[in-house]
Amino acid sequence: KNEVEQSPQNLTAQEGEFITINCSYSVGISALHWLQQHPGGGIVSLFMLSSGKKKHGRLIATINIQEKHSSLHITASHPRDSAVYICAVRSHYGGATNKLIFGTGTLLAVQP
Amino acid sequence: DTGVSQNPRHKITKRGQNVTFRCDPISEHNRLYWYRQTLGQGPEFLTYFQNEAQLEKSRLLSDRFSAERPKGSFSTLEIQRTEQGDSAMYLCASSQPTGQAFFGQGTRLTVV
Repeated sequence: KNEVEQSPQNLTAQEGEFITINCSYSVGISALHWLQQHPGGGIVSLFMLSSGKKKHGRLIATINIQEKHSSLHITASHPRDSAVYICAVRSHYGGATNKLIFGTGTLLAVQP
Repeated sequence: DTGVSQNPRHKITKRGQNVTFRCDPISEHNRLYWYRQTLGQGPEFLTYFQNEAQLEKSRLLSDRFSAERPKGSFSTLEIQRTEQGDSAMYLCASSQPTGQAFFGQGTRLTVV
């Protein structure tokens, strides 16, 4: 079982829909990242959070440390939101390294 | 551009050849990470530098792989005697000690 699990693996939505991507993890963490990856490979960091909720534009990320769960929400989705969304955690077990452990990603396609 | 820069973006090589990739991190970041991502998977940790010191290496990093960060600025990742299984996206990220990770565009390696 992966230490970081995401659901769904694939998601197709119509433009304007509210989208939720979920992430569950099994290790103790110091921070959780939500990342966006477009075809071609480049990764953009969307959020880093360790508690509560953060909002940036149409994107909202929440985390529940007790339940070891995080969600990424996209409001009023748009075709340009189509990408792979990756959850990654900075594990306590990483020691001083602070390396990230990644989920396998959620492929989102928003259709016009 | 003050982001993380990786070169080349794409590399096609014949099996058995050596390849070298370069990563230029954000200048004030003392932490530098290399990750590898295969198709449909999330990135996996390869190695980590704090300044010029290589402090952790994954078991994924066989003896054909070597990474350096000679002056604590840019880093190189060399793969000797490449194999088809080395085909992947190689991602570099940099950060401050507890800060957000910033990723480069990646180098896509294809071994034929």
